[in-house]
Amino acid sequence: SQQGEEDPQALSIQEGENATMNCSYKTSINNLQWYRQNSGRGLVHLILIRSNEREKHSGRLRVTLDTSKKSSSLLITASRAADTASYFCATAIQGGSEKLVFGKGTKLTVNP
Amino acid sequence: DGGITQSPKYLFRKEGQNVTLSCEQNLNHDAMYWYRQDPGQGLRLIYYSQIVNDFQKGDIAEGYSVSREKKESFPLTVTSAQKNPTAFYLCASTAGRGQETQYFGPGTRLLVL
Repeated sequence: SQQGEEDPQALSIQEGENATMNCSYKTSINNLQWYRQNSGRGLVHLILIRSNEREKHSGRLRVTLDTSKKSSSLLITASRAADTASYFCATAIQGGSEKLVFGKGTKLTVNP
Repeated sequence: DGGITQSPKYLFRKEGQNVTLSCEQNLNHDAMYWYRQDPGQGLRLIYYSQIVNDFQKGDIAEGYSVSREKKESFPLTVTSAQKNPTAFYLCASTAGRGQETQYFGPGTRLLVL
């Protein structure tokens, strides 16, 4: 598996439900970031969590980081049809060069 | 309006042709990046630049070239040596260290005729 790997690859839920996506990685990180991409568009940054943080919130988003398990989760509460998009995690590898490593993403569909 | 612009939105390449994708930012960011995205895939790093007149190869640099003559601009040339160029190309920039938040342009879709 690659450095950042999201799970599941695709997720379909009803409006109002919560959506949870997971990201696992292999090497130690400085931070982990989540991005959203609407179809055919650029990526939009959602949240950055540093290696010494365990949880962060931003509006309806909640991100957790477990460095012992090398994993992170993104929770979107009370989902809306507008949340339909692909979600990517990106890891900033410790001791690595000045770049991020992106996973393949989770495609979320929120049905009205 | 501050942000990153990419042009054109769609680009068609003929066999053996070099094409150049434009990326401009007015965010005063030091670092700029080029990524390639294939359908259903994540982003793969082509080239990045942390400072004017300097750039580094990413994971898939073969068949691509870049320049960084101005802080605001980081054009990507897809050369004829790139045998499978059809993809969605994304440019990004970041203030300071490249491991912080990256800001993306809207992308250029390159198609081969």
